Amino acid sequence: DAKTTQPPSMDCAEGRAANLPCNHSTISGNEYVYWYRQIHSQGPQYIIHGLKNNETNEMASLIITEDRKSSTLILPHATLRDTAVYYCIVRGRMDSSYKLIFGSGTRLLVRP
Amino acid sequence: EPEVTQTPSHQVTQMGQEVILRCVPISNHLYFYWYRQILGQKVEFLVSFYNNEISEKSEIFDDQFSVERPDGSNFTLKIRSTKLEDSAMYFCASSSLRGGEAFFGQGTRLTVV
Repeated sequence: DAKTTQPPSMDCAEGRAANLPCNHSTISGNEYVYWYRQIHSQGPQYIIHGLKNNETNEMASLIITEDRKSSTLILPHATLRDTAVYYCIVRGRMDSSYKLIFGSGTRLLVRP
Repeated sequence: EPEVTQTPSHQVTQMGQEVILRCVPISNHLYFYWYRQILGQKVEFLVSFYNNEISEKSEIFDDQFSVERPDGSNFTLKIRSTKLEDSAMYFCASSSLRGGEAFFGQGTRLTVV
């Protein structure tokens, strides 16, 4: 079962920041937080991951709380093409289990 | 940008027939995976593959399923005798590191009739 909790749906206006929360209160010290998204029925797309420091790349920023029990994915200027299901996944970086366990994710709707 | 390629994009097959889904992972990746997604449901892990052998498989991946890396570039999923409930999107993924970020293909939609 997924170790994370996400709201089932959110929306934001085009051009505004989209802030997607994720709770992972049982995360252990060696587990990373990964974010993927799935647009329509396309293959999941890797966005970003982090351990405890905030991370930023060309797609998004990841803010992890100091106690690591929750995180927020930030899309700084959401576009219509960012409408997708966003998945927050917790997993060890060198986990003996290689698999990703997908939950239900957050369905983000970006409004024109 | 390197990408995972899957063929065909859509496969229709009759119940009981064998199907082979094909994937070309990113060239320098060493870890390969198959996932599936039944319409309206979650993405589910099927199997992971490394060093020419299965690393882990889920309960879904029963004796009807097999995987193979027949050459240096292809990674295949075979379903021996398809059932109606095998209808789903099948996604191939690859990663360069164990547990590293996985990159997914666009999927093969399998329809069993």
